[in-house]
Amino acid sequence: EAGVTQFPSHSVIEKGQTVTLRCDPISGHDNLYWYRRVMGKEIKFLLHFVKESKQDESGMPNNRFLAERTGGTYSTLKVQPAELEDSGVYFCASSPRTGDGYTFGSGTRLTVV
Amino acid sequence: AQSVTQLGSHVSVSEGALVLLRCNYSSSVPPYLFWYVQYPNQGLQLLLKYTTGATLVKGINGFEAEFKKSETSFHLTKPSAHMSDAAEYFCAVSDTGRRALTFGSGTRLQVQP
Repeated sequence: EAGVTQFPSHSVIEKGQTVTLRCDPISGHDNLYWYRRVMGKEIKFLLHFVKESKQDESGMPNNRFLAERTGGTYSTLKVQPAELEDSGVYFCASSPRTGDGYTFGSGTRLTVV
Repeated sequence: AQSVTQLGSHVSVSEGALVLLRCNYSSSVPPYLFWYVQYPNQGLQLLLKYTTGATLVKGINGFEAEFKKSETSFHLTKPSAHMSDAAEYFCAVSDTGRRALTFGSGTRLQVQP
């Protein structure tokens, strides 16, 4: 089966610009998660979708971040406007059931200059 | 709140030597515990997980981990390191109710020939 796909793999944008990251989970996985690793720090949870609903968005850092999952398939994470501290690697993961080990994508490396 | 501590951000072993990567966690509820590995330019791959039952868990590539409740530990071991084991390893815990993963800061394993 195809894995979790994320694109772009890399993005370099200027401070103040907008960037949209996309994640395609494994087909049939209702649970979709976004995580972020800022340089040299832990991987941090951002939010969790169950189908198209936000189950938990307690990790979203501020209102410059907007995640959507229309139709319960792919998800987008928009950062608007981007700030320097948003640089890092953004991971998406999916799972069929809660409590399972997730399948992670390769991540999107975002650099804000 | 949950937390994960990985002792040693960098570990170096010789090829054929024992690999021991340490992980201690704190959780107010019975945890689900995971080890993930990230090879260069790839996503996070699940090595093994503990949910319930047998406390010694075997994973892929010859790795295993033992859940020790009294020590709040979930150390990862492999009897004999291989060059291909060089990667970054992450321990993670989830609250069975909340489902989001809390990660440790990662341990980069170097294998010397």
